[in-house]
Amino acid sequence: GAGVSQSPSNKVTEKGKDVELRCDPISGHTALYWYRQSLGQGLEFLIYFQGNSAPDKSGLPSDRFSAERTGGSVSTLTIQRTQQEDSAVYLCASSPRSGGRTDTQYFGPGTRLTVL
Amino acid sequence: GDSVTQMEGPVTLSEEAFLTINCTYTATGYPSLFWYVQYPGEGLQLLLKATKADDKGSNKGFEATYRKETTSFHLEKGSVQVSDSAVYFCALNNGDDKIIFGKGTRLHILP
Repeated sequence: GAGVSQSPSNKVTEKGKDVELRCDPISGHTALYWYRQSLGQGLEFLIYFQGNSAPDKSGLPSDRFSAERTGGSVSTLTIQRTQQEDSAVYLCASSPRSGGRTDTQYFGPGTRLTVL
Repeated sequence: GDSVTQMEGPVTLSEEAFLTINCTYTATGYPSLFWYVQYPGEGLQLLLKATKADDKGSNKGFEATYRKETTSFHLEKGSVQVSDSAVYFCALNNGDDKIIFGKGTRLHILP
């Protein structure tokens, strides 16, 4: 089927505003991940969902960041009171299962967030 | 904690040159190792992977061998093409559900 999709592809916002980023994983994939790609910083893990289990939020940089996953499928990453340092590309990935070190993650095209 | 270190770019080569992008890792246990590639304007996609020591991953003419003794997973290609221009990420998965990525190496291939 279709790959991981993300929307919007680009988002420009003003400092202090809230933003929501959406991810549609590959159908049937139980695991979903959010990463942040900042210029010169590589990829930074943010949060991970597996089925109905409590998410692993260990990578969220501050309490302004939150994410939810409804019905075990679509996920929304919310950033409240955005700051300029939040500017980055936010990547979503999904994989068929979890707990396996051999699992491959399939990435979406990302959302480029620019905070003015 | 686990980490991945890869050579800094950008790397600029002429078409048909030999490519090596170095990657070393630090991890407990026996992680799986990956190379992901990000072509301009596109998302990350898996290039190749190896799941145990001495395994060789290969795809699209690229190869990397999992060397536990040197904790390395260097990416190689015998003859690069302009279409190989992209950012390459070395990564590991140690079974705790998140991939640890290197910072990426930008590759430019000149015609």
